[in-house]
Formats: sequence, structure tokens, C-alpha cells
Amino acid sequence: QVQLVESGGGVVQPGRSLRLSCEASGFTFSDFAMHWVRQAPGKGLEWVAIISYDGSNKFYADSVKGRFTISRDDSKNTLYLQMNSLRAEDTAMYYCAKDVTGYSDYWGQGTLVTVSS
Amino acid sequence: DIVVTQSPDSLAVSLGERATINCKSSQSVFYSSNNKNYLAWYQQKPGQPPKLLIYWASSRESGVPDRFSGSGSGTDFTLTISSLQAEDVAVYYCQQYYDTSYTFGQGTKLEIK
Repeated sequence: QVQLVESGGGVVQPGRSLRLSCEASGFTFSDFAMHWVRQAPGKGLEWVAIISYDGSNKFYADSVKGRFTISRDDSKNTLYLQMNSLRAEDTAMYYCAKDVTGYSDYWGQGTLVTVSS
Repeated sequence: DIVVTQSPDSLAVSLGERATINCKSSQSVFYSSNNKNYLAWYQQKPGQPPKLLIYWASSRESGVPDRFSGSGSGTDFTLTISSLQAEDVAVYYCQQYYDTSYTFGQGTKLEIK
């Protein structure tokens, strides 16, 4: 069965960096694009980034462009999100999700990032 | 970027009654080349990740009860729960995947009246 397990969240000071990971299993990871989606406490879903199946195309939300980088390591079946210059408004649960031509059919349980001094 | 707006923000429906949630996009999400609407619906229960219900505006995901249905085309879409069950209490989101902004609606909280 498909499993997505995020890790790497925690408490970080404003301006610092953090790298999230998402380990995938139960499907051929290298065949699928992958998303990061976040949800601030008590708020709605916000799409963050997508990477194509082969890593050649990446797109970002305007709110994170230039600060966040999505990447993947197909040898490790792992998706990453490098987050730099973190701000208080980046505080959220971060979910990775498997793509199917744009929509997401499987989601992880999420990892919580808190940006606070 | 495409803006997606849901209505209402919250909804209370009696058990066994019909629930209807609307989703409007700021521009059409219909691709004439493949005759598809690039819109999905998700259900999120407290403490859980979102769950895919509907894709291509009206295709039900495997395992989703048939009381859930999606309709609409172009800019206006509807999620209908034909007979509300207690386990349907959740927040529902629509999402466009027509362009690479992949925007979500703000969510609709569904409760039991």
C-alpha cells in the first residue's frame, strides 16, 4: 500500500533553515510527480511546490519562491523541501502528496514546522 | 493565478439530508482538448490529512461512497452529499490543477444540524 512519511519538522528561529523529508513506499516513486502542501494552524490548505517525476520541472507558490527548494532522490524514494529564510508565517503542518496529473491521491500524515524566536 | 472560492464557509445539515458545497474558479479550468475539468475535491477530518474524494470534477475516487458526487464545468462546480452520515463531518476543499498555482478553496466546514 502507498505510504508517505514526512520528517524533519520542529521549532526553528526566524531566518534559519530547515529541511523536510518525505519517504515514499508502495509505488514506483520515480514514475510520479510529488507535491508539498502546508496548513497553518486552524487554517486551510496552501499548495507549496511540485516536482516532476524526473526532477526536471519545479514550480512554487509565490509565497515561498526564492526561499524554498523542492528536490527528490529516486534512489532513496525520498522527496525533500529545503526551507531557507524562514518566517513566522511559514509555521504550518507540511504534507507531501503523490501527484496524479495534477491532483493528489495519497497524502502523508504531515510534519509540523514552527518558526518562533 | 486562478482564485478558487467556496461557498458557504460553513454548513449544518441534518442526518440523512442533502449537503451541497459550491466552488467557483476565477477562470475556466476546462481543457477543450481533452474535455476535462481540472478540479478535485478533498475531505479533511480533524487531525488527519486530506483525502481525495473527486477528481476531473465528477470522477469518484475508488472506495469513496456513492453518496458523494461532483458536478459542474468551466468555472462553477458542486460537491453533493446525497444523504449526510455522521462520519461526513469534516472540512471540504476544492482544488484547481489547471495551472501550476494548484490553488485550493478556503474550505467549507460541514456539521450536523
